[in-house]
This record gives sequence, C-alpha cells and structure tokens, in this order.
Amino acid sequence: ELKVEQNPLFLSMQEGKNYTIYCNYSTTSDRLYWYRQDPGKSLESLFVLLSNGAVKQEGRLMASLDTKARLSTLHITAAVHDLSATYFCAVDMGSGGGADGLTFGKGTHLIIQP
Amino acid sequence: EAGVVQSPRYKIIEKKQPVAFWCNPISGHNTLYWYRQNLGQGPELLIRYENEEAVDDSQLPKDRFSAERLKGVDSTLKIQPAELGDSAVYLCASSLNVRQYFGPGTRLTVT
Repeated sequence: ELKVEQNPLFLSMQEGKNYTIYCNYSTTSDRLYWYRQDPGKSLESLFVLLSNGAVKQEGRLMASLDTKARLSTLHITAAVHDLSATYFCAVDMGSGGGADGLTFGKGTHLIIQP
Repeated sequence: EAGVVQSPRYKIIEKKQPVAFWCNPISGHNTLYWYRQNLGQGPELLIRYENEEAVDDSQLPKDRFSAERLKGVDSTLKIQPAELGDSAVYLCASSLNVRQYFGPGTRLTVT
C-alpha cells in the first residue's frame, strides 16, 4: 500500500524567511504533484514532477523530485503572507499517458506571519 | 476555459437519507475522479472513470455508495443511506493527461 508522508504538518514562519516542506513516499513512482488549498476552497495545482531530478519553479516556490530517495521537496524563498495555505503532495502510480488516482499526504498547514 | 463544475456546493441531510452529487468535468477530459476529503486530511480516491468505464472503484464503499458517468461526460455520486461518518467534502477532478484539475467540492454534513 502506497503511503505518502509530509513534514512538517504545521509550520508557522515569518515573512522573508526560507523553508522547505518534505514529502516522502513508500513505493517507486516518478509522478509527484504539489497542490495548494486555501481554507474552504478546492485544490490548486502547483507543480507536476515527472522524472528523477525534475525541478520546477514558480515565483517563490520551487519543487524538486528525487525518485531514488522517494523524496520531493517544496522550497519557499523569502516567504510572503499570501503564501499562507495548506500544501499537499500527492503521488500517482500510473505509468501511461493519463493519470491514475492520486494518493495524498496529510498536508502541511503553513502560516506566514508579517 | 471553464473549470470542473460541481453541485450542490453544500448539503445538510439527516442520517439514513439519500444524497447525490453532480460533476461536470472540463470539456474534453476523458478521465474523471471522485475524492473524499475529511477535515484536516488529504483527499482520498473513491472512483476513477475512463470515459464511461469505472476503471478503479476499489476504494468505493459499495454497500452504500454508487456512481455513474453516462455518456462519458457528467457524473453523479450517490450515497444511500448516509451515515454520520460520511460528513466530508466530496471533490470531483478531471484530467486529459497527467495533471488533475479539481472542482470546488460539495461539503456534506450528515446530522
């Protein structure tokens, strides 16, 4: 059974600081997703990582994937308040052109204080 | 481009009553998913459709849950009868390739 673990589950940080969220998974996969969820809202797709060594960046967020270590990281640079949200990583065991169902971590609840 | 549409957005029912959720995926997306998200948790897959075919329903509690996707477009998820533990947000997602797009969800409260 695939297990996806995120840490930390809760993070409070100050604006301007850097931090990293970690996502470990238990079964070999080369498809890793990061989503953002604001309170009471649905999930917004941030990154799709499809190969070992993949790195993607959008604004102050950068995600990477190490399939050998079964580890993905989401790095936040110079955090701003608007990045406060819950961040989920998810793994897809599919290998074809489409996506199988995702297995999600429990999420990291991120609060960025002024 | 319109996103995934779900209705209703909120539903409150008494236990043992039936309830149904509706989803309209992004146009052209062949794959449709239903997830359940409990408070403070990540979503959990209930069922996945490729066009009209349910290709993965291993996590769907079949004693009370059912789903259909007629004509390979819209989908309906039904619970009958609802239990207190079914209170959650039910999310629909669709995809054309590897990226899944989620709808706003239906928040179900069973009293």
